[in-house]
Amino acid sequence: QQQVKQSPQSLIVQKGGISIINCAYENTAFDYFPWYQQFPGKGPALLIAIRPDVSEKKEGRFTISFNKSAKQFSLHIMDSQPGDSATYFCAASSAGRRALTFGSGTRLQVQP
Amino acid sequence: DTGVSQDPRHKITKRGQNVTFRCDPISEHNRLYWYRQTLGQGPEFLTYFQNEAQLEKSRLLSDRFSAERPKGSFSTLEIQRTEQGDSAMYLCASSPTGGQGGYTFGSGTRLTVV
Repeated sequence: QQQVKQSPQSLIVQKGGISIINCAYENTAFDYFPWYQQFPGKGPALLIAIRPDVSEKKEGRFTISFNKSAKQFSLHIMDSQPGDSATYFCAASSAGRRALTFGSGTRLQVQP
Repeated sequence: DTGVSQDPRHKITKRGQNVTFRCDPISEHNRLYWYRQTLGQGPEFLTYFQNEAQLEKSRLLSDRFSAERPKGSFSTLEIQRTEQGDSAMYLCASSPTGGQGGYTFGSGTRLTVV
């Protein structure tokens, strides 16, 4: 059962543009929503995370927008750079459980 | 480097053989996790330890899989009688006590079963 659906599967953005990746979840018990970045041959690295008591969180060029009623959250990468080219995963977990449920990933390519 | 260390990085084995992977977490982290990632997919949770206690196991962790963390430090993941479907990247992560997430992942062990 896929509890976190991620789109698009791949994304091509020009340097300086905005990259937007979307996720939707089903489990209303989820209360922690992180985004991970993964480069080839490496493990995922935590980028930014949000809890449902806020609708937006910004860290540098990365912003999470969260819509609790729609059960959706998204990652916005402002001023995208070629070094941002990687695979991005959204994830979610619920209180009392340590396991993260990951989306299927978005392969981002930022063209110079 | 004080990150999460996994060994080996790559393992090729014949179907039916047993394999064992090792994970050394960040030293001050008492939580340790194993995930499996197949090509083009997100990581899937396998199991979780707090100190030496295995507190949660996924249904993905069949009876051919066993994980241990005997002294609450490093962990091993063993797969017995490997099958071609076991071919994947096996990721270890650790986190400190308190809060959720905040995982630090290792670079993984890529298993190929031939």
